[in-house]
Amino acid sequence: AQSVTQLDSHVSVSEGTPVLLRCNYSSSYSPSLFWYVQHPNKGLQLLLKYTSAATLVKGINGFEAEFKKSETSFHLTKPSAHMSDAAEYFCVVSDSGGGADGLTFGKGTHLIIQP
Amino acid sequence: DTGVSQDPRHKITKRGQNVTFRCDPISEHNRLYWYRQTLGQGPEFLTYFQNEAQLEKSRLLSDRFSAERPKGSFSTLEIQRTEQGDSAMYLCASSLAGGSADTQYFGPGTRLTVL
Repeated sequence: AQSVTQLDSHVSVSEGTPVLLRCNYSSSYSPSLFWYVQHPNKGLQLLLKYTSAATLVKGINGFEAEFKKSETSFHLTKPSAHMSDAAEYFCVVSDSGGGADGLTFGKGTHLIIQP
Repeated sequence: DTGVSQDPRHKITKRGQNVTFRCDPISEHNRLYWYRQTLGQGPEFLTYFQNEAQLEKSRLLSDRFSAERPKGSFSTLEIQRTEQGDSAMYLCASSLAGGSADTQYFGPGTRLTVL
């Protein structure tokens, strides 16, 4: 069975400061991990994915995430927040390559950017 | 390059009525997924197809929910005898099977309101 815990329901940062969104996962196998972003009234967009290659994964819009197996974590970071980053972020795990089990989403972290 | 499309974008219905939603995946994608997202939660996996075969349907919420993908292209999700608790966003995603993790691309969703 797979599960995801996003440790913060809301994160507020000032524009230009670093962003850290925390995620822990549980998986029976070697998981695939993803971060998706959902802007208001828009569809889910893939930010980045980890599939057992490099543990540091770079995504779009300056985001990156590091897979740490010993800590079962996959935290999302960005060096400098921009107002356009304000959105809902979902950490996602898949045991089966996205097949029969689908994707398991966390509850989401609402990122607020203060001017 | 057209992404995943869903129709309608919004549906308001009265309790007890049947509703049907359509999803058109990215044209070369052979996998199609349905998810439900309720307010303040991450999407919840419902069912998935590979080509026209429905390979997982045990996660459909009740026997009032059914899905089809008759020719391996578009899919429909039907909810019979709708209840107020069915009010949610229904998301469709598609992917191309293969590799260690096929990336799912999401449509904009159909927002269902049951009065």
